[in-house]
Amino acid sequence: QSALTQPASVSGSPGQSITISCTGTSSDVGSYNLVSWYQQHPGKAPKLMIYEVFKRPSEISNRFSGSKSGNTASLTISGLQAEDEADYYCCSYTGSSTLVFGGGTKLTVL
Amino acid sequence: QLQLQESGPGLVKPSETLSLTCTVSGGSISSSSYYWGWIRQPPGKGLEWIGSVYYSGTTYYNPSLKSRVTISVDTSKNQFSLKLSSVTAADTAVYYCARIYSFGHGLDVWGQGTTVTVSS
Repeated sequence: QSALTQPASVSGSPGQSITISCTGTSSDVGSYNLVSWYQQHPGKAPKLMIYEVFKRPSEISNRFSGSKSGNTASLTISGLQAEDEADYYCCSYTGSSTLVFGGGTKLTVL
Repeated sequence: QLQLQESGPGLVKPSETLSLTCTVSGGSISSSSYYWGWIRQPPGKGLEWIGSVYYSGTTYYNPSLKSRVTISVDTSKNQFSLKLSSVTAADTAVYYCARIYSFGHGLDVWGQGTTVTVSS
C-alpha cells in the first residue's frame, strides 16, 4: 500500500483559512468514509482532529473541518491561530483491515 | 480517563528483535468498540501504521512489515505488545501505541511514544 499524498507544506496568516489535501485511490480514500486527520506538535504525540471524513471530537474547535471528494480528502482550518502551527497527517482505511497515513504537511502560520 | 503507556528497551542491536508493550489504564482493553494499534515515526519523517489487534487476539498488519511483525494482546494485564524481528537501522523510530475506534474510524487516544534506536 502506498502512502496517501499530502503537500509537504502550507502556510497562512493569522485569521486566514487554509486547506490541506490528502489524495489516495479508489481503494482507500475513494471507497470509504473513514478518513481521519491528526495534528502533531514537535516532540508530541499526534492528536485526533477529524474522523470519518468530517466529524470532530467534542474537544476540537469548529475552526477545523473535513470533507471528501472522490479520492481526495481535505482538512480546512479557518481563523488561523499561532497554535495551529504543526504537522498534519491524514489517515485512511484501505479495506482488508489496514490503515495508511499520508506523508504529512507542515503548516506554518506567518 | 484512558491512558496508554509504551515500555521497552530504547536500544536494540541490528538483526535482533524489538519488543514493546503498551499498558492501558483507566479503561478495559476488552471493550468491543475498540482496536489497539502500533504506529511508528522515523526521525524527521511521517507516521507509519504497523498493525493492530482486537481484544480477541485477531491481528491486522501493514503488508510491508507483515513478515517481521507480531502483535499480541494480554487481556488479564490490560496490555498489548509488539515484536519486530530482524531489525535494521531503518527501524529506528518513535513507536506509539494507540486506541482505534471501530477500526478505521480514528485513532483517538495515543501513548506518549517511546524512542527505539537500532545500533550495535
